[in-house]
Amino acid sequence: NAGVTQTPKFQVLKTGQSMTLQCAQDMNHEYMSWYRQDPGMGLRLIHYSVGAGITDQGEVPNGYNVSRSTTEDFPLRLLSAAPSQTSVYFCASSYVQGVQYFGPGTRLTVT
Amino acid sequence: QKEVEQDPGPLSVPEGAIVSLNCTYSNSAFQYFMWYRQYSRKGPELLMYTYSSGNKEDGRFTAQVDKSSKYISLFIRDSQPSDSATYLCAMSLYNQGGKLIFGQGTELSVKP
Repeated sequence: NAGVTQTPKFQVLKTGQSMTLQCAQDMNHEYMSWYRQDPGMGLRLIHYSVGAGITDQGEVPNGYNVSRSTTEDFPLRLLSAAPSQTSVYFCASSYVQGVQYFGPGTRLTVT
Repeated sequence: QKEVEQDPGPLSVPEGAIVSLNCTYSNSAFQYFMWYRQYSRKGPELLMYTYSSGNKEDGRFTAQVDKSSKYISLFIRDSQPSDSATYLCAMSLYNQGGKLIFGQGTELSVKP
């Protein structure tokens, strides 16, 4: 059981480039979420999904796109990277109630 | 005003001390309350999980939820250097497990 996996671990982008952060889970969880973590801000929800084909926005969705075609995968796309998107990105999954399990994170720097 | 407030610290204590970490929140509809521990450059890992009000104990850790005061606490007894980490409180509404609202996190250092 690998849990929640994320790739890549590190990424450097130039302003305006696009990329996809990958997230996969093998626990058959319905819920999957993306958070970003910035110093002094805790974790903030970007997008989440309650099942395959269903996604919704969180607190800070602008500049990010998601889709969920399978239960296992929930990629996060940066459409046109900006320096303000420099952050650590965490993917998480859960059953319906409460407890989320987090991946190891992707550290993204946009120059 | 943030929905969940947590003192960011840093908090430094000697080994063996009792540590008290706290969060306040504004949304009385929150039903699930969690504490996560995050070591440097790692993902958050679940430490304690409570549904609605009350206390929960697990080894050296005790979580308390006081919904009347909108206040949650995590107590660490006999603190160890290995407890040095950032502690994040998080909460969610009923049936919204995918939408956690986090506090800012408290950085704890336990000195030998």
